[in-house]
Amino acid sequence: GAVVSQHPSWVICKSGTSVKIECRSLDFQATTMFWYRQFPKQSLMLMATSNEGSKATYEQGVEKDKFLINHASLTLSTLTVTSAHPEDSSFYICSARADPGLLTDTQYFGPGTRLTVL
Amino acid sequence: GIQVEQSPPDLILQEGANSTLRCNFSDSVNNLQWFHQNPWGQLINLFYIPSGTKQNGRLSATTVATERYSLLYISSSQTTDSGVYFCALPPIGATNKLIFGTGTLLAVQP
Repeated sequence: GAVVSQHPSWVICKSGTSVKIECRSLDFQATTMFWYRQFPKQSLMLMATSNEGSKATYEQGVEKDKFLINHASLTLSTLTVTSAHPEDSSFYICSARADPGLLTDTQYFGPGTRLTVL
Repeated sequence: GIQVEQSPPDLILQEGANSTLRCNFSDSVNNLQWFHQNPWGQLINLFYIPSGTKQNGRLSATTVATERYSLLYISSSQTTDSGVYFCALPPIGATNKLIFGTGTLLAVQP
């Protein structure tokens, strides 16, 4: 149980285009999903927290207009990188947290999406 | 904010060796998790261990919350244990988030 998928697993795009990444909880309902960013040989950095049906909460320093997050249902959150630039190239990872009481209070992670902006 | 430091940063082992990874944190916590990030980037939950000791096969973890550290033990290491090990815990006042430690890069050689 507690499987999280991400799509696509990798994407290459031209500078100036937008890229959408999907995160799905496959076998549980996720009231909260999280988006992380990881640069090579570095740790995960939390970008934002999204709750189903409400606006995402962004961490300090993360541009909300550049990284659009939508959590339209209890099993799907999307991250759209708008007007992508080469410095946005990174490994993006989502996680999902189930409703406490149904599962232990842990986050379950997707396999990640590697974004390369040319 | 809370600081999470892991040691060692890098570790090379011969297959079959044992190792101990350490996670130090700067404030009291009520939720600590250990993860293994495999070479393809997938994060795998190892332990949810806010306190005490847990074991799962060749892995075990101990958290001493009062002294603000947690240890991950790997026994009889295998090449498939290679990857990065992270501890993660919530920042003060935001128990639904996780702040990741600096990580330990483990390479197990045959």
